[in-house]
Amino acid sequence: KAGVTQTPRYLIKTRGQQVTLSCSPISGHRSVSWYQQTPGQGLQFLFEYFSETQRNKGNFPGRFSGRQFSNSRSEMNVSTLELGDSALYLCASSLVGSGDEQFFGPGTRLTVL
Amino acid sequence: AQSVSQHNHHVILSEAASLELGCNYSYGGTVNLFWYVQYPGQHLQLLLKYFSGDPLVKGIKGFEAEFIKSKFSFNLRKPSVQWSDTAEYFCAVNEGGAAGNKLTFGGGTRVLVKP
Repeated sequence: KAGVTQTPRYLIKTRGQQVTLSCSPISGHRSVSWYQQTPGQGLQFLFEYFSETQRNKGNFPGRFSGRQFSNSRSEMNVSTLELGDSALYLCASSLVGSGDEQFFGPGTRLTVL
Repeated sequence: AQSVSQHNHHVILSEAASLELGCNYSYGGTVNLFWYVQYPGQHLQLLLKYFSGDPLVKGIKGFEAEFIKSKFSFNLRKPSVQWSDTAEYFCAVNEGGAAGNKLTFGGGTRVLVKP
């Protein structure tokens, strides 16, 4: 079974631009969660989508948004990029339900200059 | 808000030594507990999980963890480490219910095993 895939793997953007990251979950998984990983703040939850609905949201500004499609693929968007948005963005998928085991993708490394 | 603390930021030990990493969480209700590992250059992988039942859980690669509800702790152990256990280890908690699959992570512990 293929794992969670994320595209692109690396991105370089400048301040003020926007970016869209993509995540394809494991086949059959309906929940997709996004996390931001930085050296200073560690791993922080961004949001979770389940059956195309945002089920949970972390403490991030409205510049961070996401969506999920009917095939469970998910995208996250960051608008008006700031230097502090430089991070590894991880996507994780779960089969179903609450408190389920999550499978992580390799991440997208975003650098904002 | 839920918080997770990992007591050691860095651990250095020699092969064959025993490893114990501490993890404490703040939520007083029912929780699901996880340990994830991130090997150099690789993505996060699940080591083990606790949902209910026997508080001593066994995971992959010889790791185990003990859930002590009264201490809000979920410590990870391995009796004898190998060089290949060099990695960063993360404790994570999920509250279930309305929290969905949201994980709150500890700050991570970098483990270096010297050959």
